[in-house]
Amino acid sequence: DAGVTQSPTHLIKTRGQQVTLRCSPKSGHDTVSWYQQALGQGPQFIFQYYEEEERQRGNFPDRFSGHQFPNYSSELNVNALLLGDSALYLCASSGGRTGGTGELFFGEGSRLTVL
Amino acid sequence: GDSVTQMEGPVTLSEEAFLTINCTYTATGYPSLFWYVQYPGEGLQLLLKATKADDKGSNKGFEATYRKETTSFHLEKGSVQVSDSAVYFCALGVTSYDKVIFGPGTSLSVIP
Repeated sequence: DAGVTQSPTHLIKTRGQQVTLRCSPKSGHDTVSWYQQALGQGPQFIFQYYEEEERQRGNFPDRFSGHQFPNYSSELNVNALLLGDSALYLCASSGGRTGGTGELFFGEGSRLTVL
Repeated sequence: GDSVTQMEGPVTLSEEAFLTINCTYTATGYPSLFWYVQYPGEGLQLLLKATKADDKGSNKGFEATYRKETTSFHLEKGSVQVSDSAVYFCALGVTSYDKVIFGPGTSLSVIP
């Protein structure tokens, strides 16, 4: 049973560029949440997708957008990159028999460096 | 809004020492509470959870009790091992939507 998979694992961009990160949820899960984890800090909630719609959003600007596909996989897009966007981006899935319990299953993350 | 506060690290302990990592929360309603752990080079994983007041979550020798009166969920382990070296995150869950809010994390190093 595959867990949560994310790609790419590492990437380097320059200021002003755009980036797309991808996530496949754990089998049986239908909800995908994205988090930003800056170095030495806790994960910060960006947004959550369910049934291909953004269901909740944290305190992040509109430069951060996302999408969920019919197979429940998801993308996180960040436009007009800033140096401060450098972080580990985590995807978490939930649903199935643990749905509604708050238990999340995380991927290993995509490390974004903005130069 | 909902938030989590936990003791700052890093924490360094000798093997077999007693561990306590303090965590307090602010929330509307009745959240579930979690401890997640991030081992070096690995992804975040759930360590233990408690879904209502006075519940005790436990796993791998770690325990935490959901204290509504003090809005706390302190993590404890009686005898830590080197393999427990990791970053520990206290978190609360808005269970209706599986939205989880994390604390800043506490780094633990256990030395032989």
